[in-house]
Amino acid sequence: DGGITQSPKYLFRKEGQNVTLSCEQNLNHDAMYWYRQDPGQGLRLIYYSQIVNDFQKGDIAEGYSVSREKKESFPLTVTSAQKNPTAFYLCASSEGTFSETQYFGPGTRLLVL
Amino acid sequence: GQNIDQPTEMTATEGAIVQINCTYQTSGFNGLFWYQQHAGEAPTFLSYNVLDGLEEKGRFSSFLSRSKGYSYLLLKELQMKDSASYLCAVRRGGAGSYQLTFGKGTKLSVIP
Repeated sequence: DGGITQSPKYLFRKEGQNVTLSCEQNLNHDAMYWYRQDPGQGLRLIYYSQIVNDFQKGDIAEGYSVSREKKESFPLTVTSAQKNPTAFYLCASSEGTFSETQYFGPGTRLLVL
Repeated sequence: GQNIDQPTEMTATEGAIVQINCTYQTSGFNGLFWYQQHAGEAPTFLSYNVLDGLEEKGRFSSFLSRSKGYSYLLLKELQMKDSASYLCAVRRGGAGSYQLTFGKGTKLSVIP
């Protein structure tokens, strides 16, 4: 089955700790994205990558970092600099063509202890 | 800047028709998407409009007017499982730009 997987489903972070959220896709999509969703807010773009070894900051990149060493993987690290990390994190991918659709993974809910 | 407006909540009756509106003001426009999101789950793609007019897909239809910065999602023959949030998203920028700007979503409650 082709799709996007995210792990873990729930993640707990202690104060001052960095945590990494996994995102893997086997759709052979070129582009991948990370969004954050807070209650009552729209999805906000954190980082995106259009090709391997390249990524761009989105609207709310501060306190986050990413890497894109492989086409199928786009992990997101929430660093200790992110002061309000509690949110639902969604990873998405798209073919990268002109009229592409973004397809979403199941999400990771991050909670701060 | 980017601004996308949708009603926060709507309620409709099972079997009825409901229209969810979306207005947008963006610095670039390259298409509008509608997604459905059940609570705690990932958004799933419903429709895409890049030209003016109506796109129909079974019980769901989506309309776009680029000159008015306006779209709507029409849901017919409502079912209880249609209770979800509906997200309007605009793709901004020129060719090769894949960024989407999302509205805050409309929470639809379908009642018996």
